[in-house]
This record gives sequence, C-alpha cells and structure tokens, in this order.
Amino acid sequence: AQTVTQSQPEMSVQEAETVTLSCTYDTSESNYYLFWYKQPPSRQMILVIRQEAYKQQNATENRFSVNFQKAAKSFSLKISDSQLGDTAMYFCAFTGNNAGNMLTFGGGTRLMVKP
Amino acid sequence: NAGVTQTPKFQVLKTGQSMTLQCAQDMNHEYMSWYRQDPGMGLRLIHYSVGAGITDQGEVPNGYNVSRSTTEDFPLRLLSAAPSQTSVYFCASSYSDTEALHFGNGTRLTVT
Repeated sequence: AQTVTQSQPEMSVQEAETVTLSCTYDTSESNYYLFWYKQPPSRQMILVIRQEAYKQQNATENRFSVNFQKAAKSFSLKISDSQLGDTAMYFCAFTGNNAGNMLTFGGGTRLMVKP
Repeated sequence: NAGVTQTPKFQVLKTGQSMTLQCAQDMNHEYMSWYRQDPGMGLRLIHYSVGAGITDQGEVPNGYNVSRSTTEDFPLRLLSAAPSQTSVYFCASSYSDTEALHFGNGTRLTVT
C-alpha cells in the first residue's frame, strides 16, 4: 500500500517571501501521479499542481512549482511571492497507474501567510 | 458549469439513524469517489466507482454503502450512523484515472 507523509503540520511565511512544503511517499510502482491540493477556510479542495512520475521536468503553475525527486520519493511544493490568499491547508496526494483514480493523501500542512 | 454538487452542506444525525449524502456531476466523468476528512488525517477513500454499475471499496468502507445507477449520480448511504462517522465528506469525480479530481464543496456530518 502506498503512503504519503507530510512532516510539517504547520508553517508560516511572510507575505512576498518563498516557502517550501515537504512531501514524501512510498510506493513500489514505477509510473504514478502526484498532486498538491489547497484547502482554504472555505473547505473547497482546489488543485494546485499535478506531476506525472515519468516526466523528468518539474511541474509549474504560475507562483507554484514542485521539486520532484523520484529516487528519493520526494515531492515538495514551492510557493514564491506568497500572498495572503495562499493561507490554507495543503495536501499532497498520490495515485498509481490504473488505480481507478484512488488517491492517497498526506495529513496536510497548514500554511499561514503573515502580512 | 455546476461541476460536482453535494447535498446537504450540513447534517446532524442521532446514533442509529440512516441517511443518504447526494453527489451529482455534470461533466460526464466516469470516475467518482467519496472521501472523508478527519482532523490531522487528510482525506481517506470510502468508496469509488469507475463507471455506471461498477463500485468498489476504498480504505474505510465499513458503515457506508454506495451505488452508481447513472454516470451523473453517486450517492453515499450511512446505514446506521455512529459518532465515529462524524466527519466532513467529499465527493469527487474525474475524466480518467490519472487526471486531477474535481471535488464537491463537502458535507459536514455530526452524529450525536
């Protein structure tokens, strides 16, 4: 069974600074997909970024980028130029190939962006 | 586009009562799933479906039942509510088994 670990329960960052959220996972599969989801206080789950394991290039979406280290089974999220609206819970998630899109989630990191 | 619609948004049940959480999507997605979110534990998969007429169990299926008679709808039934089922429930859907999930806005359920 796959596991996803987020070792930082809470983090804070000053507005306009950069912060990195950590995620590690355990799997025996060679092809899989990784995601970061954001959950603001509204409770809505919002996709931040998606990474395909067979792609060497790290995914980016505007101010959000990942550092995907396949050998180390690490998938960290970097948020540049942090904004107050980035305050939220962030979840890392994993799904294998042909897994029926069953996601395994980490426990989450609560990020506070301070003015 | 409505996306994934969950009803109700909030519900309070007494122990032993039954109820159905509704989930509908209008994106013609084949894959649908139910997750529960408890503090400090992220989201855990309850049941999922890869198409109409096909369902399977996830990580925490006990006490829940599902069916998928149409592509659009995927209701979750609590057979006999217990306090341990107090949680926030999310329904999600996707076009394929590797694309990102689209989530509903969740249902906060309290069982007293």
